Amino acid sequence: YVLTQPPSVSVAPGRTARMTCGGNNIGSKSVHWYQQRPGQAPVLVISYDDDRPSGIPERFSGSNSGDTASLTISRVEVGDEADYYCQVWDTDTDHPLFGGGTKLTVL
Amino acid sequence: DVQLVESGGGLVQPGGSLRLSCAASGFTFYNYWMHWVRQVPGKGLVWVSRVNSDGRSTSYADFVRGRFTISRDNSKNTIYLQMNSLGVEDTAVYYCARDRAGRGGSDYWGQGTLVTVSS
Repeated sequence: YVLTQPPSVSVAPGRTARMTCGGNNIGSKSVHWYQQRPGQAPVLVISYDDDRPSGIPERFSGSNSGDTASLTISRVEVGDEADYYCQVWDTDTDHPLFGGGTKLTVL
Repeated sequence: DVQLVESGGGLVQPGGSLRLSCAASGFTFYNYWMHWVRQVPGKGLVWVSRVNSDGRSTSYADFVRGRFTISRDNSKNTIYLQMNSLGVEDTAVYYCARDRAGRGGSDYWGQGTLVTVSS
């Protein structure tokens, strides 16, 4: 199973950023999203497609259908600049699988 | 507060061994699966291994199977990664992470420990 993420997304402050994660029938799987700022450990920002862990701003939301899952950040801030990774549980191998990551640049 | 603190990284020669530790606190450790995930600097996250809550079930990525061994000591709230036959391709930051719900996302991560394999 392969997860495909665009290498980069750019957005202006205050606008909406949408990052995608493509996979064959990914809508049948649960998707988790991580934010990783430079030099820091990953942080779970969305789990099980659209659940926001405690402490994650409401500006972060997720969706998952068909062959594409998405992470959307509304009212983007400079502090949102980071790498974002999607992850699913690969049922064929019975272990987690990460996408290649998307670098979000806030212009 | 939940904390995961890795240790044991460092410089090792090709063919050598290293044991990483991850000390957990702030939660009921024996209830959770745990993972090791690594990241080559400047590259993406790659899952390495996981251990279930009682330590009886483990799983490995193909590229470490037979060389790495994951284990846990629930009396010490610690997981380990014994790494043998290390190659330069194993150079990476190694993170431990807590699995939120068994085959779920990882809701807490350590700060990582750098393993450098070089002669």
